[in-house]
Parts: sequence; C-alpha cells; structure tokens
Amino acid sequence: NAGVTQTPKFQVLKTGQSMTLQCAQDMNHNSMYWYRQDPGMGLRLIYYSASEGTTDKGEVPNGYNVSRLNKREFSLRLESAAPSQTSVYFCASSAASGGPNNEQFFGPGTRLTVL
Amino acid sequence: QKEVEQNSGPLSVPEGAIASLNCTYSDRVSQSFFWYRQYSGKSPELIMSIYSNGDKEDGRFTAQLNKASQYVSLLIRDSQPSDSATYLCAVNLRGSGNTGKLIFGQGTTLQVKP
Repeated sequence: NAGVTQTPKFQVLKTGQSMTLQCAQDMNHNSMYWYRQDPGMGLRLIYYSASEGTTDKGEVPNGYNVSRLNKREFSLRLESAAPSQTSVYFCASSAASGGPNNEQFFGPGTRLTVL
Repeated sequence: QKEVEQNSGPLSVPEGAIASLNCTYSDRVSQSFFWYRQYSGKSPELIMSIYSNGDKEDGRFTAQLNKASQYVSLLIRDSQPSDSATYLCAVNLRGSGNTGKLIFGQGTTLQVKP
C-alpha cells in the first residue's frame, strides 16, 4: 500500500517547455487534488477532481491543465512553462464520501524549477 | 479576512513544555477541521482531525474546537525537538459537498529547543 505517489521528484525546465506531472493513489479514493506550495503563500489548490470523469478549477488554475485518467490517476500538465510556475507541487487524495471525514493524504511532492 | 488564519511564528518552546498552536476560520458552516505537520522539504502529514466541539486527544496531541468562536487549536504536550516543523490548519469549505475540498492556513512554524 504505497498511498499517493508522484513522479518525477525533481524537474528543471526551460521557459516554454511542457511537461506532465503524474499522480496515482491506491486507496480507492474518489477525489484527487493538485496543489502548489510557495514560500509565504501556503498550499494553493490548482485543480481538483471530485470523482472519476470530473475536474474543476481551484484557486490558481491559469497555465495548467489536468486529466483524471481513471480512479487511480490524476495528471497535471504545464503546456508552456513560465518562471512563475517554479514551485513545489503536491498531489493529494480523499475518500470524500459526502460525510465530514474528508481527510486528504498527500504525495511526496515534485520540485519544479523553470529557468 | 483570510478564510483560515494562523500566526506564522516561529513559536519557540523549550523541550518538555506545552506548545499551543491556534487557527481561526471565517466560515461558520465549516464542519471538518484538520491539523497537518510538515517537516522542511517534506509533504504535509495528517496528525489530527476534529469534527465536534470540545477536545480530542491522541497521544501527546490534543485538538480543541470551538465553533461558536470559530477557532481550532492544537496542543502538543511534552514537546520534543522532533516536533519542530510547520503545522498547517485545514478547514472544509462551505458547499464542498462530496468534493472534499479544504482551505489551508499558511502554517505556524514550531521550534522546540533542547
């Protein structure tokens, strides 16, 4: 039981390059989330997927796209990377069954630098 | 007003003391409250959840919730240097329904000095 896994762990891009961050969970969770964390800014929600087949924008979606490939996997794509997207990216998942017990569990993160 | 507010700290306590971390939130309808611990360079780790007014204890950790005053706190008894980390408060959003969306505070940095 690996929980939430993310690849890659580190990535350096040049401005304008594209890349996809991968996330998978093995907890049979319904909801998945992508956050970015910057110094002094806390965790900010980029996109989320409440259930397989649905995705919605979070607080800071500009410059990103997502795909909920199946119940396990949720990917984040940067089509044309910009230095402002230099950050640590976390994927999380939650059972989100409709009750109050909507704890989120986080992956190890991806450190992205855009030059 | 931010939806979830925490004092960024750092909060410095001596080893063996009680550390008290506080969080206020703006949405009166919020039902679920969580504390995460984040070590430097690592991902957030869930340490406590609380849903009802009052205290909830788990080992050296006690979460306290007061919905009328819209605050939630985390007490760490017998603080150890290994407790030095950033503690994030998270609250569910009004209308989050089945999405499980949470709003996170910016975190309080705790330093436990030997």
